[in-house]
Amino acid sequence: ELKVEQNPLFLSMQEGKNYTIYCNYSTTSDRLYWYRQDPGKSLESLFVLLSNGAVKQEGRLMASLDTKARLSTLHITAAVHDLSATYFCAVDSPSGSRLTFGEGTQLTVNP
Amino acid sequence: DADVTQTPRNRITKTGKRIMLECSQTKGHDRMYWYRQDPGLGLRLIYYSFDVKDINKGEISDGYSVSRQAQAKFSLSLESAIPNQTALYFCATSDLKGQGKGQPQHFGDGTRLSIL
Repeated sequence: ELKVEQNPLFLSMQEGKNYTIYCNYSTTSDRLYWYRQDPGKSLESLFVLLSNGAVKQEGRLMASLDTKARLSTLHITAAVHDLSATYFCAVDSPSGSRLTFGEGTQLTVNP
Repeated sequence: DADVTQTPRNRITKTGKRIMLECSQTKGHDRMYWYRQDPGLGLRLIYYSFDVKDINKGEISDGYSVSRQAQAKFSLSLESAIPNQTALYFCATSDLKGQGKGQPQHFGDGTRLSIL
């Protein structure tokens, strides 16, 4: 059974600071997704990582994937208040048939 | 208009009632999913369907049933609702060909269900 763990689960940071969210998973997979969810809203796709060493960047967010370590990171650079949200990683099963989500990281960026 | 539409958006009902949540999509995707979201637990898969004749249980299917009425429609039923089924429910879609290229699942806006 595929297990996905994120840490931290709660993150409070100041504007302008950098931080990293970690996503560990238990079985082999080479497809990992990052989503953002604002309170009371749906999930919005941020990044799709398809192979070992994949790196994607959009604005102040950068995601990477290390399939050998079964680890993905979401790095936040110079955080701004608009980044406050819950961030989920989701890992595809080896068959590609279903996603398993992490618990989510609730990020609050304070002025 | 939303590509993945869930109805109702909010529902309050009583224990023991039968409830149906509906999902329709205009994306032309073949795969559809139902998830449940509880605080601190992320999203958990209830059922998924790869086409009209293909229905699969997810990790938490007990107490739920589904129907894939057409490629564009996938409904979730709670035959006899209980309070611990109070949660936010999401429908999602994906496309087999697109998924092979790494396209993500697309989510509806969710249905907030409260069972008293």
